[in-house]
Amino acid sequence: KAGVTQTPRYLIKTRGQQVTLSCSPISGHRSVSWYQQTPGQGLQFLFEYFSETQRNKGNFPGRFSGRQFSNSRSEMNVSTLELGDSALYLCASSWAGGYQETQYFGPGTRLLVL
Amino acid sequence: AQKVTQAQTEISVVEKEDVTLDCVYETRDTTYYLFWYKQPPSGELVFLIRRNSFDEQNEISGRYSWNFQKSTSSFNFTITASQVVDSAVYFCALSEALAGRRIQGAQKLVFGQGTRLTINP
Repeated sequence: KAGVTQTPRYLIKTRGQQVTLSCSPISGHRSVSWYQQTPGQGLQFLFEYFSETQRNKGNFPGRFSGRQFSNSRSEMNVSTLELGDSALYLCASSWAGGYQETQYFGPGTRLLVL
Repeated sequence: AQKVTQAQTEISVVEKEDVTLDCVYETRDTTYYLFWYKQPPSGELVFLIRRNSFDEQNEISGRYSWNFQKSTSSFNFTITASQVVDSAVYFCALSEALAGRRIQGAQKLVFGQGTRLTINP
C-alpha cells in the first residue's frame, strides 16, 4: 500500500506570495491533518479534514487555509507569505481521524520564504 | 491543557550502548493515547508505537522497549544495543479523547519538542 505523498517536496517563495501544497492520503484513509514544523516552535497542528469538512483547527492566522476533495486528497494554502512561514509542512492521514487512531505521515514539503 | 515534555534536547552515545529517551505528559483527560515517532534526516515522521491510557504493560519490539507509567505521567523509550541507523530525532505525542468528544473524531496530536539522538560508531 502506498504511503502518504506530498508535493512538491521543496519550494522557494518570496514574501507576499502565496503557496499551495498538496497531500494524497493512504488509500482508504479519509482523515487528513496538516502540521507545521519549525526549529523554534516544533511540530504544531494546523487543521484536520474529514469528508471535505474542516473539523479542527490549530492556532494559526487566517492566511493558512485548506480544503479536502471528494477523493480525500487535501491541499493547504498560505497567502501573503511571511519569512516566519518557512518550515517543513507535514501531512498525515488516518482512517477516520479518531483520537485513538495512528496518523501516518508523508515526507513533508520544505518551504523557504525569502 | 495537554502538554508533552521531552527534556532531553540532544543525546549522543557510542554504538551498542543502551539509551533511554524520556517523555512526560500532562492531560486532564482520563482517556488518551500516546505515540512515539522517529524522524530521520529525510523529514518523514515514522510511526513506532501507540499506547492507550488503560494499558500500562511495557512493550518490547526487538531492540526497542517502552515503559508507560501513569503514576508519573511518563512514557519512556529505550533502545538497547544502539546502532548508527537509530540516529534520528524522536518525538513523543499525545492524543486526547476529550478533544475527540468535543469535535467528533477530530484527532489532534500534541508533540514534544523532540530528542535528537546521535549514535556514534
